[in-house]
Amino acid sequence: DAKTTQPNSMESNEEEPVHLPCNHSTISGTDYIHWYRQLPSQGPEYVIHGLTSNVNNRMASLAIAEDRKSSTLILHRATLRDAAVYYCIYDNQGGKLIFGQGTELSVKP
Amino acid sequence: GAGVSQTPSNKVTEKGKYVELRCDPISGHTALYWYRQSLGQGPEFLIYFQGTGAADDSGLPNDRFFAVRPEGSVSTLKIQRTERGDSAVYLCASSRLAGGQDTQYFGPGTRLTVL
Repeated sequence: DAKTTQPNSMESNEEEPVHLPCNHSTISGTDYIHWYRQLPSQGPEYVIHGLTSNVNNRMASLAIAEDRKSSTLILHRATLRDAAVYYCIYDNQGGKLIFGQGTELSVKP
Repeated sequence: GAGVSQTPSNKVTEKGKYVELRCDPISGHTALYWYRQSLGQGPEFLIYFQGTGAADDSGLPNDRFFAVRPEGSVSTLKIQRTERGDSAVYLCASSRLAGGQDTQYFGPGTRLTVL
């Protein structure tokens, strides 16, 4: 199974930017990088995905390293509602998502 | 529009019993996925359907687990002779198509407790 490496936990202050790193050194050239997050007692929620170029949407930005062996999810202004476990995923193998442990983000007011 | 729904939200059963968990995907989504999440862990893939057929069931832990999607919409995950180790949150997701680019939309899950 595809392996990604993320810090177990991170802390942020409200309204400050947050950079969540992910290493995926065994990624292949055609694998998309996906980020999902899971709020307490809810199912995972899609955040963003990309292949080679940096991506922006209303929720976040995704910065992908040139060699694609790492990526960073950027929340531009963290809010209390952003407190969740963030999962970095690649290698959908036809659609299935292989989740790791994720990074638990806590946001302090 | 309506998202993915799962019923029941909670299910408590006794060891050895049979349970069925239901998933209603987003209308028009051809791909449907089942995952299982134990406490403190990320979701673990079980099976996915493309239309009515199981395209990949490599994550089903053993033959006590079975899933169907007879009309290509609603799916049922069936667990026979439940064991305490089956206790987990069972998550269902759907996507418009199956593939690396398509976003999966998750339901709230069914919390199964086997006593």
